[in-house]
Amino acid sequence: EIVLTQSPDFLSVTPKEKVTITCRASQNIGSSLHWYQQRPGQSPNLLIKYASQSFSGVPSRFSGNGSGTDFTLTINSLEAADAATYYCHQSRRLPITFGQGTRLEIK
Amino acid sequence: QITLKESGPALVKPTHTLTLTCTFSGFSLTTNGVGVGWIRQPPGKALEWLAIIYWDDDRRYSPSLQRRLTITKDTSKNQVVLTMTNMDPVDTATYYCAHMFFGVAIDYWGPGTLVTVSS
Repeated sequence: EIVLTQSPDFLSVTPKEKVTITCRASQNIGSSLHWYQQRPGQSPNLLIKYASQSFSGVPSRFSGNGSGTDFTLTINSLEAADAATYYCHQSRRLPITFGQGTRLEIK
Repeated sequence: QITLKESGPALVKPTHTLTLTCTFSGFSLTTNGVGVGWIRQPPGKALEWLAIIYWDDDRRYSPSLQRRLTITKDTSKNQVVLTMTNMDPVDTATYYCAHMFFGVAIDYWGPGTLVTVSS
């Protein structure tokens, strides 16, 4: 099973700042890494697929990068609506696995 | 547009079997590449993938839960059913069904249904 480890577990930042969340895979997954945002009480929403491709309707403030084992999600110019937990997910090999999540708090 | 919705009991007794139904619209499970999967999330915890069924009836399960899970589809009703046997309080979670295309990103999710396992 491919293990995904996100860092950090928690972030507290002020509006308009930029944040970067990291996801590391336990083995090479190419670009089969996807990012989701889950606001409190809601289901997850796809932000980025295949490491760097923005999903339809996602603001351009969200971007992804990486390949192999190391990936990043960057959120520019943070807004209050970005307060959420962010998860990475790999689809390279079954079983599908998720990272443990990174909770983002907006001060 | 693609929508999915989970339905099933909110409360299940320990050792009993859970049956959840995902009813979807906006796509067909007979279309090449389409899959519907189940993911769960215990309160305050991370997402955990459970199972997926594809357009060609290929079925895959989480290795740790495989012996307890069965996933089936009814293409005429646009439904996917997940059964989980021998429920335990640790199975208390929100259960989501979701759409995938060629097993890549999970692009559409249902709102989820909270299942509590308690006597």
